[in-house]
Amino acid sequence: AQSVTQLDSHVSVSEGTPVLLRCNYSSSYSPSLFWYVQHPNKGLQLLLKYTSAATLVKGINGFEAEFKKSETSFHLTKPSAHMSDAAEYFCVATRGKLIFGQGTELSVKP
Amino acid sequence: DTAVSQTPKYLVTQMGNDKSIKCEQNLGHDTMYWYKQDSKKFLKIMFSYNNKELIINETVPNRFSPKSPDKAHLNLHINSLELGDSAVYFCASSQRAGENNEQFFGPGTRLTVL
Repeated sequence: AQSVTQLDSHVSVSEGTPVLLRCNYSSSYSPSLFWYVQHPNKGLQLLLKYTSAATLVKGINGFEAEFKKSETSFHLTKPSAHMSDAAEYFCVATRGKLIFGQGTELSVKP
Repeated sequence: DTAVSQTPKYLVTQMGNDKSIKCEQNLGHDTMYWYKQDSKKFLKIMFSYNNKELIINETVPNRFSPKSPDKAHLNLHINSLELGDSAVYFCASSQRAGENNEQFFGPGTRLTVL
């Protein structure tokens, strides 16, 4: 069975500091992986996706994620947090359907 | 604007009632989905249609019945609503079915069953 684990339910950073949102997947093969963002009372928006091309994937709004097969990880990072980054972030794997992680709420302090 | 739209945005109703949520996409996509997001923000797929045909049907009570009159629309009808149906329901679409296709989400419908 394939599952997605987001290691932190809540992450709090100060504006201008780096962001790290952790995600591990369990699978016997390399899946396609995505990060989606959900702002309050909004739908989900795709940040970036990995589909077995380059292992370092750049997304929108300065986010990027690195696929590490040896660690079965797909952590999301951003060098400098902005207040507008405060949202819920979902790591997602797929095998014919999307399998969501539990979500990580990112808070950004002024 | 090109988008996935849902109506209504909020729905408050009594237990036992029947209600529908509508979804439309004008992106020209072939595949549409319904997701349920519970109070802990956990998202799970319910149904998927490709060109009006059901391709994914997760373990969902048969009180939930999706209907796709054409590939731009996927409506969700819920019979005999229960308290546990309270959630946010998201519609989504993708160009094709398949794991690499980006899904575009609607704004969600918050259903509250009293």
